Amino acid sequence: NAGVMQNPRHLVRRRGQEARLRCSPVKGHSHVYWYRQLPEEGLKFMVYLQKENIIDESGMPKERFSAEFPKEGPSILRIQQVVRGDSAAYFCASSPYTGSSGANVLTFGAGSRLTVL
Amino acid sequence: AQSVTQLDSQVPVFEEAPVELRCNYSSSVSVYLFWYVQYPNQGLQLLLKYLSGSTLVKGINGFEAEFNKSQTSFHLRKPSVHISDTAEYFCAVSSPGAQKLVFGQGTRLTINP
Repeated sequence: NAGVMQNPRHLVRRRGQEARLRCSPVKGHSHVYWYRQLPEEGLKFMVYLQKENIIDESGMPKERFSAEFPKEGPSILRIQQVVRGDSAAYFCASSPYTGSSGANVLTFGAGSRLTVL
Repeated sequence: AQSVTQLDSQVPVFEEAPVELRCNYSSSVSVYLFWYVQYPNQGLQLLLKYLSGSTLVKGINGFEAEFNKSQTSFHLRKPSVHISDTAEYFCAVSSPGAQKLVFGQGTRLTINP
């Protein structure tokens, strides 16, 4: 039973290019989360998705960032026109549906490290 | 809104010494609490979690944590650390029905021989 798979593990982009980060959740998990870890900082929530729906994107920058979790295939975090400040580790996590009162335990992937030159 | 404060950004200890990593949270509702560990250049692994019941929670690798509601704390402890415990440790909070975790800033544990 594979865990959360993220790729690429390392990505180098020049300013102005696009970055696409992919995340395959644990089999059977219907919820996906993206977190960003800037150098020397903790993890900041970006977005929470269920299949084909964005549930909470309160942590997403207003411009250039988008996320999707299609019916088939992995979740994608897309960053357009990258800038040096986008350099960070981007972590994906998944969880099963727990209902309105359950405890949501997240399983994290190994992360994708984006470097913008 | 919920928040987590990890009071120490770095904690150096000698091998085989005990260690405590401090975590305080703020929440207006009941909480679930978590400790995650991040080894260098890796993702986060769940160390332990408090959901309900006994306030003393035991996790992997000999770690344990105690939920103290009156002090809004969830400190992580290990009686004797090993070089392999060198890592970044993150405390996180959520609540019943909440879908996302709120993380603290992290504490870097360095073990000296």
